[in-house]
Amino acid sequence: SAVISQKPSRDICQRGTSLTIQCQVDSQVTMMFWYRQQPGQSLTLIATANQGSEATYESGFVIDKFPISRPNLTFSTLTVSNMSPEDSSIYLCSAGGSNNEQFFGPGTRLTVL
Amino acid sequence: AQSVTQLGSHVSVSEGALVLLRCNYSSSVPPYLFWYVQYPNQGLQLLLKYTTGATLVKGINGFEAEFKKSETSFHLTKPSAHMSDAAEYFCAVSDPAQKLVFGQGTRLTINP
Repeated sequence: SAVISQKPSRDICQRGTSLTIQCQVDSQVTMMFWYRQQPGQSLTLIATANQGSEATYESGFVIDKFPISRPNLTFSTLTVSNMSPEDSSIYLCSAGGSNNEQFFGPGTRLTVL
Repeated sequence: AQSVTQLGSHVSVSEGALVLLRCNYSSSVPPYLFWYVQYPNQGLQLLLKYTTGATLVKGINGFEAEFKKSETSFHLTKPSAHMSDAAEYFCAVSDPAQKLVFGQGTRLTINP
C-alpha cells in the first residue's frame, strides 16, 4: 500500500484568495486523484491527475477553478482559486494501487471566510 | 455508469452487537467493490475490497463483506461491535477508468 501525505492539513483563507494543496506519495504511482468532501457529505471526484499531461476533470469542475499539476509519479498539487465560502470542504488526494483500489491522504480541511 | 446506494445514513448498535451496513451497487461491468472507513478528522482507510474470486471478503478490524451478484449487494458486517468502530463508512465501486464512485456514507454509532 502507498503512504500519502498532504500539506497543509488545514487552513483558513479569505474570500478571493487561492490555496495550493500538496500531495506526496511514498512510491511511484500511475494514477492520482483529487476529491472534495463537503461538510457532512460523501466524496466527489474533482479530477484525475495525469503525469505529463493535463488533468482530466469531472463534470462540474473546471481547470480555471481547480488547476492541478503532476510533475512526476510521486507528487501532485491542487489549487483552489478565487475562493468563496462554498469552497469550504475537505480536499483529499489519493493514489491508485493494484486492483483499482485507492489509498487516501489525511485530507486538507479548508475554511473560507 | 456505476453507482452505489448505502441504505441508512445513520446506524446505531450496542457494544457487542452485530454490525450490518448495507450497500447496493449498479455497474455495467464486473465490479470492483470497496469499503472505506473515515474516523473523525481523518482521511479514508481501506477496510476491504472485492475484485474477483471468493465472494466473502475479510478485512481489517474484524470486518467482512459478501459480494452477492444476484442481489447487487456488498453488505459490510462485524459480529461484535466495539466502541472504536464508531466512524463513517463508505462503500465504493470502481469504474473501468479506475475512478471510485462512493455511496453517501453511513455513520455508525456504538452505544455502551
